[in-house]
Amino acid sequence: DGGITQSPKYLFRKEGQNVTLSCEQNLNHDAMYWYRQDPGQGLRLIYYSQIVNDFQKGDIAEGYSVSREKKESFPLTVTSAQKNPTAFYLCASSMFGGNYGYTFGSGTRLTVV
Amino acid sequence: GESVGLHLPTLSVQEGDNSIINCAYSNSASDYFIWYKQESGKGPQFIIDIRSNMDKRQGQRVTVLLNKTVKHLSLQIAATQPGDSAVYFCAEKGNDYKLSFGAGTTVTVRA
Repeated sequence: DGGITQSPKYLFRKEGQNVTLSCEQNLNHDAMYWYRQDPGQGLRLIYYSQIVNDFQKGDIAEGYSVSREKKESFPLTVTSAQKNPTAFYLCASSMFGGNYGYTFGSGTRLTVV
Repeated sequence: GESVGLHLPTLSVQEGDNSIINCAYSNSASDYFIWYKQESGKGPQFIIDIRSNMDKRQGQRVTVLLNKTVKHLSLQIAATQPGDSAVYFCAEKGNDYKLSFGAGTTVTVRA
């Protein structure tokens, strides 16, 4: 079955450490996105990529980094520069252009202690 | 900036009643709209979409209405069930092909 997979589901890290969240899709989608969701809040865009080897900052990119070396993969690194990294992180993918919705992964809950 | 928002953050509904969730949008250039359902601890799931050349679209137990004159979108759920308890987000697609999401409405179904 085609889908989008995020791993791990839960992640614990010590303050000051960088951590990388995985996102893989086998839907042959061109575009991929990373969102952050805080309790009771909506989705805030961190980074997005519409094509391999290219990505753009979203609304809250500070303290995060991404890469898009393969069409299927869009890993997100939460760096020590991110002031409040504890959150629920969602990855999504879509075809680019036209009227297409996003397919979301099941999320990674990151807790920094 | 332009954004998508929902009128009410929470909605409590009696099981078996119909639910109506509202959303206001401000980008008149948006031509595609989607409703998503997010259960606790999970990613959002697609419910139904509508293009700007339509004013109504029906799915299984759900109906989306689009009023472009007042930039209003609504989701109607018929015969609400306990499994409908979730957060519902509306989203709009503008000129940049990216979706903009509203803050969400939490629907709680009372037995």
